[in-house]
Amino acid sequence: DAGVIQSPRHEVTEMGQEVTLRCKPISGHDYLFWYRQTMMRGLELLIYFNNNVPIDDSGMPEDRFSAKMPNASFSTLKIQPSEPRDSAVYFCASSFLQGHEQFFGPGTRLTVL
Amino acid sequence: RKEVEQDPGPFNVPEGATVAFNCTYSNSASQSFFWYRQDCRKEPKLLMSVYSSGNEDGRFTAQLNRASQYISLLIRDSKLSDSATYLCVVNQGGYNKLIFGAGTRLAVHP
Repeated sequence: DAGVIQSPRHEVTEMGQEVTLRCKPISGHDYLFWYRQTMMRGLELLIYFNNNVPIDDSGMPEDRFSAKMPNASFSTLKIQPSEPRDSAVYFCASSFLQGHEQFFGPGTRLTVL
Repeated sequence: RKEVEQDPGPFNVPEGATVAFNCTYSNSASQSFFWYRQDCRKEPKLLMSVYSSGNEDGRFTAQLNRASQYISLLIRDSKLSDSATYLCVVNQGGYNKLIFGAGTRLAVHP
């Protein structure tokens, strides 16, 4: 069975450019999460959706970040404009029920020059 | 104070050793507790949930002390394949909002 799918796996861009990260959750999972991981701050929850509706976006660092989930099988995290401090690994995760195990995708390693 | 605190390690142990990791959390209202494992340059994966009564899964034992807001993970008979970072995870402000500790690195050597 396919797990959580993320693309691209690696992204290198220049400061000021728009970056779009994509995620396909596991089919049937109602919850989708976006995390960011850095050495300094560890793994942080940015936003999560339930049935395609954003529930908690308090972890989104600033207005440059936005996330959407137009349907149950697709979500995007967009950074515009990107800055070097946005360099991190961005993980998408999904879960079937509230409070259940979250399954993580392989992550997107973002480098902003 | 960090919401979830762990000893970063690394813990360097020989194969067959028993090793214990500890974790403390700050929010007394937390209801769900987990240990996740993360291999180098990989995604985190659930190792085990932690229940109030304590629970065991093969060589792994997890304990929860709500009064002290303390969680532990014990690994017996360590294998080379246990080398990874172990993340203590606690929910906050709802069952879905998980707070991850910074992780404890374990290196098992022959």
